[in-house]
Amino acid sequence: QLQLQESGPGLVKPSETLSLRCTVSGGSISNTDYFWAWIRQPPGEGLEWIGNVDYRGETYYNPSLKSRVTISADTSNNHFSLRVNSVTAADTAVYYCARQRTGMDWLDPWGQGTLVTVSS
Amino acid sequence: QSVLTQPPSVSAAPGQKVTISCSGSSSNIGDKYVSWYRQLPGTAPKLLIYENNKRPSGIPDRFSGSKSGTSATLGITELQTGDEADYFCGTWDNSLSAGVFGGGTKLTVL
Repeated sequence: QLQLQESGPGLVKPSETLSLRCTVSGGSISNTDYFWAWIRQPPGEGLEWIGNVDYRGETYYNPSLKSRVTISADTSNNHFSLRVNSVTAADTAVYYCARQRTGMDWLDPWGQGTLVTVSS
Repeated sequence: QSVLTQPPSVSAAPGQKVTISCSGSSSNIGDKYVSWYRQLPGTAPKLLIYENNKRPSGIPDRFSGSKSGTSATLGITELQTGDEADYFCGTWDNSLSAGVFGGGTKLTVL
């Protein structure tokens, strides 16, 4: 059974870089049918798709975040990562990783999510 | 402001039926499959419907999905108190080359 698990610091200072990792178990991120996505949810708000990556390193990003976001895949260690530069309080959110069917036909499964707070 | 539009809230009594709408445009719902997700309080979203109207294994047939033009609808019959959750629609947007979600609908079972 495929499982995803987010990891990384829960507190980041303003203007610094947020870095998270999503470790995939029970399956390979080298599967050509899928992308691997990051989604976030600010407290009390809705879902925001951040971007995704496939096993070759091809990426797509939310245009509103593209200038600050990098998503990469490590097929050797079966995980993928998210970096968000120059964070502000508006980047405070629960960050989820998920497997994404090509073309975002669907997202499944999702990791449990990790809360990242941006504060000095 | 979400690319896809959902009502903020819906409510119905136990045992009744409810529908949740999701409105988009020709660059997203009009050309792509729609999926639906349920988020129980304090948990991660879970896939409920994919490819407009298909249910993953383990999702009961009380849940259904449909799409017409640039809108999609989630239907839930035989409502239970355990169905109280936030429901989100999602799809791909060709113009943005990005995934998009609706703002979410909070279902209350009275």
